Amino acid sequence: QKEVEQDPGPLSVPEGAIVSLNCTYSNSAFQYFMWYRQYSRKGPELLMYTYSSGNKEDGRFTAQVDKSSKYISLFIRDSQPSDSATYLCAMTARYSSASKIIFGSGTRLSIRP
Amino acid sequence: NAGVTQTPKFQVLKTGQSMTLQCAQDMNHNSMYWYRQDPGMGLRLIYYSASEGTTDKGEVPNGYNVSRLNKREFSLRLESAAPSQTSVYFCASSPPGTSSYEQYFGPGTRLTVT
Repeated sequence: QKEVEQDPGPLSVPEGAIVSLNCTYSNSAFQYFMWYRQYSRKGPELLMYTYSSGNKEDGRFTAQVDKSSKYISLFIRDSQPSDSATYLCAMTARYSSASKIIFGSGTRLSIRP
Repeated sequence: NAGVTQTPKFQVLKTGQSMTLQCAQDMNHNSMYWYRQDPGMGLRLIYYSASEGTTDKGEVPNGYNVSRLNKREFSLRLESAAPSQTSVYFCASSPPGTSSYEQYFGPGTRLTVT
């Protein structure tokens, strides 16, 4: 079993829809939860991070962490064609070395105009 | 600032050939990383360097070597390429004090080994 599971998609929704992207994990030591966005043929870029449980909002994006269920989500409101990309979840334990960052395999998202 | 730069962008090698992937960052970051990205596998860490002069193995180090030439540059070497090393390689760096969760990635090198 992988430490981090992420539905690969692809996920296709119409412009303006609310998008929900999710990851599950098995390691209870994870404390930092990140979402990276990767456009086609580009490197990933950090979109948001959350420490421990709770919600974090940044514009149209909301990250949610439920440590009791070992489940994290990224919500995109009023989705735009420019949001079309692959979204990677990532996790690490607090102050761990880089070797402990685990990435999900990514969900490919397409927003239809 | 150019951020993280990688060369070359594309490369085709024959089995057994060697090559070095170059990475440089101009953000004065201490930590640098090399990942490979394969379909359905996500990003997997090959090697990382927490600071100039130090390197450590990641999840998939076999078949690779690295050199942290100075604070800016971190190179990845394939001594004898194998078809299993066909992948997209990303270099990344992270600023101090962020527990490595905030990483800045380069544009990637697409490597094919035939």
